[in-house]
Amino acid sequence: AQSVTQLDSQVPVFEEAPVELRCNYSSSVSVYLFWYVQYPNQGLQLLLKYLSGSTLVKGINGFEAEFNKSQTSFHLRKPSVHISDTAEYFCAVRQTDSWGKLQFGAGTQVVVTP
Amino acid sequence: NAGVMQNPRHLVRRRGQEARLRCSPMKGHSHVYWYRQLPEEGLKFMVYLQKENIIDESGMPKERFSAEFPKEGPSILRIQQVVRGDSAAYFCASSPIQGDTEAFFGQGTRLTVV
Repeated sequence: AQSVTQLDSQVPVFEEAPVELRCNYSSSVSVYLFWYVQYPNQGLQLLLKYLSGSTLVKGINGFEAEFNKSQTSFHLRKPSVHISDTAEYFCAVRQTDSWGKLQFGAGTQVVVTP
Repeated sequence: NAGVMQNPRHLVRRRGQEARLRCSPMKGHSHVYWYRQLPEEGLKFMVYLQKENIIDESGMPKERFSAEFPKEGPSILRIQQVVRGDSAAYFCASSPIQGDTEAFFGQGTRLTVV
């Protein structure tokens, strides 16, 4: 079984400031890692994913995340946020040998203010 | 290529009524996943279906909930005799093959039980 912990439920940030969203996971088997974004009243959109290889993963909209196996973390970062980045962000994991069932964290609400 | 289509987007039901939620996967996708998002929580897996088969229903409540994905037509999530605790956003995702590392999400159906 896996579990995903998003350490911050809400992150306020000023426009053009950097942001980091923290995600820790636990699993007894190999996993793939994902970050999704959910804009108000919308579905989930994939930001980026880690499958293997380089531990620094670049995604859409200027986001990147770093996989740290020893700390079982997959933190999401953006060097300069925009008002339009206001949304809820979900970290998720799935077993590498599974059919694709995702285990989600509780989400982090990012609120960007001018 | 239209994305994953869910309808209705909003559904209001009185306690004891039935709710039917529909999901049309992306063209060429034969794998469908249903997730439920309770207020202030992340998404929880409910069921995974392929055409005419339920592959994994480990997240489905034992009573009142059922799902199908017929050979023709959309996938249906049915909730009988709804209760207030069923109020949530229900998301459908689809993928073209089993184990694909990217599932595409619909915009969800927001069910309110009054």
